[in-house]
Amino acid sequence: QVSLRESGPALVKPTQTLTVTCSFSGFSLSTSGMALIWIRQPPGKALEWLARIDWRDNKYYSKSLQTRLTVSKDTSSDQILLTLTDADPVDTGTYYCARIYGRAPILWGQGTLVTVAS
Amino acid sequence: VLTQSPGTLSLSPGERATLSCRASQTIDSVYFAWYQQKPGHTPRLLTYAASTRATGVPDRFSASGSGTDFALTISRLEPEDFAVYYCQHYAGPPETFGQGTRVEMK
Repeated sequence: QVSLRESGPALVKPTQTLTVTCSFSGFSLSTSGMALIWIRQPPGKALEWLARIDWRDNKYYSKSLQTRLTVSKDTSSDQILLTLTDADPVDTGTYYCARIYGRAPILWGQGTLVTVAS
Repeated sequence: VLTQSPGTLSLSPGERATLSCRASQTIDSVYFAWYQQKPGHTPRLLTYAASTRATGVPDRFSASGSGTDFALTISRLEPEDFAVYYCQHYAGPPETFGQGTRVEMK
């Protein structure tokens, strides 16, 4: 069964690095055409695309955040990580990962809420 | 860029809802999706691959469109349909989202 699950710290202090993990099962990121994306949603606001990593290990980032974002994968454990440096209260929100695979349904995790506050 | 309109739609149960999503340039409609989101919940995939309904989505939801203009139609609003709806183009990257349309009860 295909599933994704995000995890991360509930609270991060300003200027620290925020790291969230997406653990997935039921598929391989090495499969041709497979990609995982990161999305975030501040409380009460719209969805925002952050980053993408694909089966060839190509990585793409939001232009507004590209200097602070890094996405990486750990194929040995079926996980991808998103790191956001120099966290700010405006980075508070729910962080989601989702699977994109051709014309297949887009599958989402349940999200993890991260609050940036001192 | 995907622009959704209207920002808020005020309708009564039983009425028809038509939500619009306009792209700033021609896009491949095959990689187009619509979501429903209720407060405190993960976005729920309604349609993908242009107009395919996701598993369990009632047939009162239908998606259409091509080029730059796309629409989600809810034929007869049920009480559980009042929520925020997002469009997404996922040919990527980036896998852009619209800013959302709120469907509220009149």
